[in-house]
Amino acid sequence: GAGVSQSPRYKVAKRGQDVALRCDPISGHVSLFWYQQALGQGPEFLTYFQNEAQLDKSGLPSDRFFAERPEGSVSTLKIQRTQQEDSAVYLCASSLGPGTTSGANVLTFGAGSRLTVL
Amino acid sequence: AQSVTQPDIHITVSEGASLELRCNYSYGATPYLFWYVQSPGQGLQLLLKYFSGDTLVQGIKGFEAEFKRSQSSFNLRKPSVHWSDAAEYFCAVGPSGGYNKLIFGAGTRLAVHP
Repeated sequence: GAGVSQSPRYKVAKRGQDVALRCDPISGHVSLFWYQQALGQGPEFLTYFQNEAQLDKSGLPSDRFFAERPEGSVSTLKIQRTQQEDSAVYLCASSLGPGTTSGANVLTFGAGSRLTVL
Repeated sequence: AQSVTQPDIHITVSEGASLELRCNYSYGATPYLFWYVQSPGQGLQLLLKYFSGDTLVQGIKGFEAEFKRSQSSFNLRKPSVHWSDAAEYFCAVGPSGGYNKLIFGAGTRLAVHP
């Protein structure tokens, strides 16, 4: 597609529920990133995929967070047993791929999924 | 430790006035540098980037930024602000090779008075 698409845009969950957030990257983009943006803060890195391989998950805050990209395109971020501190905007971004060319390293972000945990 | 500091949390300027948003970074090697803008309820839009070469880079919407290696700074400027520039601005750094794992500052919220 023309841009990065995320769904749902808004999600309200009761504490303890599981949620799944979806990201459709730009077609042909090899790299896919998930970021978490708490209220009033800058985005913080969660995890990185190169095609279907999850190469970096160092930013996932706990084992309740799980991400996948099984066919190297659409990605899902799953949060199990949600807690109030999980409330944030979850941003997905994609890029052409790793490398040193200028185009490869430019991230295009989606509009985000705002999660509110009650 | 790798970090990005945006010293100004909020800035208010009058429409037509000039603007400078500050960004300082701490990074092990010369990084790639970015400025993104975020309007309410929207994702991040890239304003400009610095990879190498000329240290003064031009971006969209009339913005420019200057990379100063000696000061570890990448300040964003605009000579004349428009009301539509009101938004949150984020400075970010990333590695010059491999995958682009960005580190963001906390952002500067810009308000524009008519």
